[in-house]
Amino acid sequence: AQSVTQLGSHVSVSEGALVLLRCNYSSSVPPYLFWYVQYPNQGLQLLLKYTSAATLVKGINGFEAEFKKSETSFHLTKPSAHMSDAAEYFCAVSDMAGTALIFGKGTTLSVSS
Amino acid sequence: ETGVTQSPTHLIKTRGQQVTLRCSSQSGHNTVSWYQQALGQGPQFIFQYYREEENGRGNFPPRFSGLQFPNYSSELNVNALELDDSALYLCASGSLDYNEQFFGPGTRLTVL
Repeated sequence: AQSVTQLGSHVSVSEGALVLLRCNYSSSVPPYLFWYVQYPNQGLQLLLKYTSAATLVKGINGFEAEFKKSETSFHLTKPSAHMSDAAEYFCAVSDMAGTALIFGKGTTLSVSS
Repeated sequence: ETGVTQSPTHLIKTRGQQVTLRCSSQSGHNTVSWYQQALGQGPQFIFQYYREEENGRGNFPPRFSGLQFPNYSSELNVNALELDDSALYLCASGSLDYNEQFFGPGTRLTVL
């Protein structure tokens, strides 16, 4: 069965610093992988998705993620954090039928000035 | 902008009652999925509807049921509410062709 594990429930960075949020997946088939962001009291916004077209995926707001099959990882990065990036981030994998998204427990990103 | 809307925004019910949550899908999408997000957790898949039929279900009891209408709007019904049903309920519309889901803002349900 598909699953994702997000390492680190809370990550704190300074404004302008590199953001690295970790996600490892488990899948018996080539996966569809996603990163979503959730701001307080809001729904989920799609940041980017991996569909096997390219291993480096660029998303919105300057975020990108690299699919590494050998490490079963799909880490999310941003070169320079902004205060507005403070939010909850979720990694997700699509189930084999392409029906359900299976989410990790989330990582809270805090950005300090 | 996703175009997925949900109503109501907040809802308070008592244990044992029934509740109906509503979702209006984004134009052009043919699937509607519902997720439950407990406080501090990631969303959990409840079920998906495609062409008005249930197209997949997560590990939720039958008292969670749904409907999809011809205009792709959807309802989530929960009977015999329990305290643990308190959560943010998210609706997501999408397309099986593109394997993408776009989420609405959610309905916050509190069961007392």
